Amino acid sequence: GAVVSQHPSWVICKSGTSVKIECRSLDFQATTMFWYRQFPKQSLMLMATSNEGSKATYEQGVEKDKFLINHASLTLSTLTVTSAHPEDSSFYICSAGGGQTNNNEQFFGPGTRLTVL
Amino acid sequence: GEDVEQSLFLSVREGDSSVINCTYTDSSSTYLYWYKQEPGAGLQLLTYIFSNMDMKQDQRLTVLLNKKDKHLSLRIADTQTGDSAIYFCAERTGGFKTIFGAGTRLFVKA
Repeated sequence: GAVVSQHPSWVICKSGTSVKIECRSLDFQATTMFWYRQFPKQSLMLMATSNEGSKATYEQGVEKDKFLINHASLTLSTLTVTSAHPEDSSFYICSAGGGQTNNNEQFFGPGTRLTVL
Repeated sequence: GEDVEQSLFLSVREGDSSVINCTYTDSSSTYLYWYKQEPGAGLQLLTYIFSNMDMKQDQRLTVLLNKKDKHLSLRIADTQTGDSAIYFCAERTGGFKTIFGAGTRLFVKA
């Protein structure tokens, strides 16, 4: 299957700072990328859907000014957590789909664990 | 609204079969998926079934779909300790949105 990478795999930051997480589709062009958040022992919560070249669509309850998403190319989407607080600590997972993928499949990245002190 | 439900835990002995069940609410689902997540890792797609199928077999995995009851199951034959993980059921609704269940934690006892 197609490969999706995330960078960094983990990050620790101080409260009030901003953190950028990158999601890359390595061997296919992803017209759509998704950002999920997963709390311990819970399911994935879709935060937003981004299509290349257009503004992201945020799910209800997700602050778009806090979670900035940029999908500037067909292989890269970034999620920036602005003015991070301890309650933003979570596992953030991206997925990519569209383009050359089959069966409307999404391919998931390995996730980024964010810890805000 | 859209909802996917599954039981939270399942414990089996090594060598036995595991059956993980899932129910969903959106009758317009196109694809239904099973994902596996190991501790601290992302999701790995195990298998999927198109909504007009009722069964799919892939090596040790068998997926059964009862569209009338909106019930999906995953059977793992000859369960191994390496199968211990969280298994997520997910449905693809109209468009490109995927809704996940809460995950079933599978424990395999040696």
